[in-house]
Amino acid sequence: GAVVSQHPSWVICKSGTSVKIECRSLDFQATTMFWYRQFPKQSLMLMATSNEGSKATYEQGVEKDKFLINHASLTLSTLTVTSAHPEDSSFYICSASGVQGGAEPQHFGDGTRLSIL
Amino acid sequence: AQSVTQPDIHITVSEGASLELRCNYSYGATPYLFWYVQSPGQGLQLLLKYFSGDTLVQGIKGFEAEFKRSQSSFNLRKPSVHWSDAAEYFCAVAPFGGGGNKLTFGTGTQLKVEL
Repeated sequence: GAVVSQHPSWVICKSGTSVKIECRSLDFQATTMFWYRQFPKQSLMLMATSNEGSKATYEQGVEKDKFLINHASLTLSTLTVTSAHPEDSSFYICSASGVQGGAEPQHFGDGTRLSIL
Repeated sequence: AQSVTQPDIHITVSEGASLELRCNYSYGATPYLFWYVQSPGQGLQLLLKYFSGDTLVQGIKGFEAEFKRSQSSFNLRKPSVHWSDAAEYFCAVAPFGGGGNKLTFGTGTQLKVEL
């Protein structure tokens, strides 16, 4: 149980294009979803927290106009990297949690490798 | 602010040997504690978690972790390592009783297993 599917797993695109990454909870309802960015050989950096039906909360230093997050349903959240540039190349990982509070662990997707040419 | 320290960036063990990965946290109260494992190019898989109760927690793949309040530690152990255990291991904490499950991760420990 508690499967999170992330799509696509790998995307390569030209500089200036926008890229959408989907995160789905397959067998549970995700009241909260999280988006992380991970640089090579580093830990995960939380970008934003999204709750179904409300605006995402972005971490300090993360441009919300650059990284658009939508959590329109209890099973789907999307991250759109707008006007992507080479410096946006990274590994992006989503996670989902079923309930508020610290008791429910986050379940992670397999990540999306984004390469901007 | 809460923080998590994993003092060992890299650890190499021989297959069949025992393993201990260290994790120390800084927080005003006892947080929720987690260990995750990440294989190259993959997301994170939950190994085990501690919320309360018995301080020795059993997880998947033969892993266990012990919470020691006096040392603010939550070290991960495995009695006999398998080659497939080679991966990156992250310790993480979440605030007690709230915070929307926002996790703070340690910097990770890269485990290499020698055959």
